[in-house]
Amino acid sequence: EDKVVQSPLSLVVHEGDTVTLNCSYEVTNFRSLLWYKQEKKAPTFLFMLTSSGIEKKSGRLSSILDKKELFSILNITATQTGDSAVYLCAGKETSGSRLTFGEGTQLTVNP
Amino acid sequence: NAGVMQNPRHLVRRRGQEARLRCSPMKGHSHVYWYRQLPEEGLKFMVYLQKENIIDESGMPKERFSAEFPKEGPSILRIQQVVRGDSAAYFCASSPDIAKNIQYFGAGTRLSVL
Repeated sequence: EDKVVQSPLSLVVHEGDTVTLNCSYEVTNFRSLLWYKQEKKAPTFLFMLTSSGIEKKSGRLSSILDKKELFSILNITATQTGDSAVYLCAGKETSGSRLTFGEGTQLTVNP
Repeated sequence: NAGVMQNPRHLVRRRGQEARLRCSPMKGHSHVYWYRQLPEEGLKFMVYLQKENIIDESGMPKERFSAEFPKEGPSILRIQQVVRGDSAAYFCASSPDIAKNIQYFGAGTRLSVL
């Protein structure tokens, strides 16, 4: 059975800190790894990673995938209170359509 | 371009009643996915549909649950004879085609069973 594990499960930081969120996966016929941000509404798409070692960047957020070690990290620099959310990682296999999600990391950024 | 629309946002049912959850995908998207999020758990895949076809329902409970995506109108997730354990957030996602992989989510329907 496919499995995605995220760590830490929760994290509390102060504004301006840099955080690293971890995601390890065991997905049969792995194709891509996706990151979402979930506030009290729809999970919002952040990144999709397919190739190993290529960093994707969007503002203060960046992410990279290691297909040899089967993990991905999401970095957030200079955190702001608006970054407070649950960050979800999901793996997708080549065939089929389902996303296998981890439990998420609850990030709280205090002023 | 409106996002994925789900309604209702909140639904309260008594045990034994039926729950109908609706999902309108993003414009131009013909692939719909349903996920369930139980309290303190991650999102779990339930079913994947294209117009008029169920492609993968391997995550759907065998009894009481059904899904459809008719040619016209929204996708419907139907839960018959609800029980307390069905209380959860049900999210719908859509994508333009399977190759692109990116699924865009709606805000979810929170089902509470009394």
